[in-house]
Amino acid sequence: DAGVTQSPTHLIKTRGQQVTLRCSPKSGHDTVSWYQQALGQGPQFIFQYYEEEERQRGNFPDRFSGHQFPNYSSELNVNALLLGDSALYLCASAWGGAGANVLTFGAGSRLTVL
Amino acid sequence: AQSVTQLDSQVPVFEEAPVELRCNYSSSVSVYLFWYVQYPNQGLQLLLKYLSGSTLVKGINGFEAEFNKSQTSFHLRKPSVHISDTAEYFCAVRRSDMRFGAGTRLTVKP
Repeated sequence: DAGVTQSPTHLIKTRGQQVTLRCSPKSGHDTVSWYQQALGQGPQFIFQYYEEEERQRGNFPDRFSGHQFPNYSSELNVNALLLGDSALYLCASAWGGAGANVLTFGAGSRLTVL
Repeated sequence: AQSVTQLDSQVPVFEEAPVELRCNYSSSVSVYLFWYVQYPNQGLQLLLKYLSGSTLVKGINGFEAEFNKSQTSFHLRKPSVHISDTAEYFCAVRRSDMRFGAGTRLTVKP
């Protein structure tokens, strides 16, 4: 049983560019959350998707947007990249929407902005 | 609002010694509490969780944690650590969204 899979694993962008990260949730899960983990810090909640809608959002600017597809997979888009966007982006899946307590994390996508 | 403070950024310990990783939280309402472990170049793995019931929670790999409501703490303990326990450990609290602490790097030395 595959867990949470994320792609790409590593990527390098330059300031001002746009990036799309992808996440396939664990089989049976219907809820996807995205986190940003800067070097040496804990993960910071970006947003959560359930039933193809953004249900909760953390303190991130509108440059960060997302989408959830009918098969529950999800994308994270970041526009107008800044150097400070360099981080490990983690996707976590769960079952049950906003009430879900047990998250399964992927290995992450490491974004470097030059 | 809820927040999490991990009191130690680094904890070095010798193999087979006991260890405690400290976590305090602040919240005006009841919350759910978690400990996650992150090995190098990997995502987070759930060690244990407190949702309700017994305040002593047992997790995987011999770890346990005690929920102390009066002290708003959720410290993680292991009676005897192994080299393989070397990793980053994160305490987290959830009411609406999940909030993580800054992490504690546990280094187990031979």
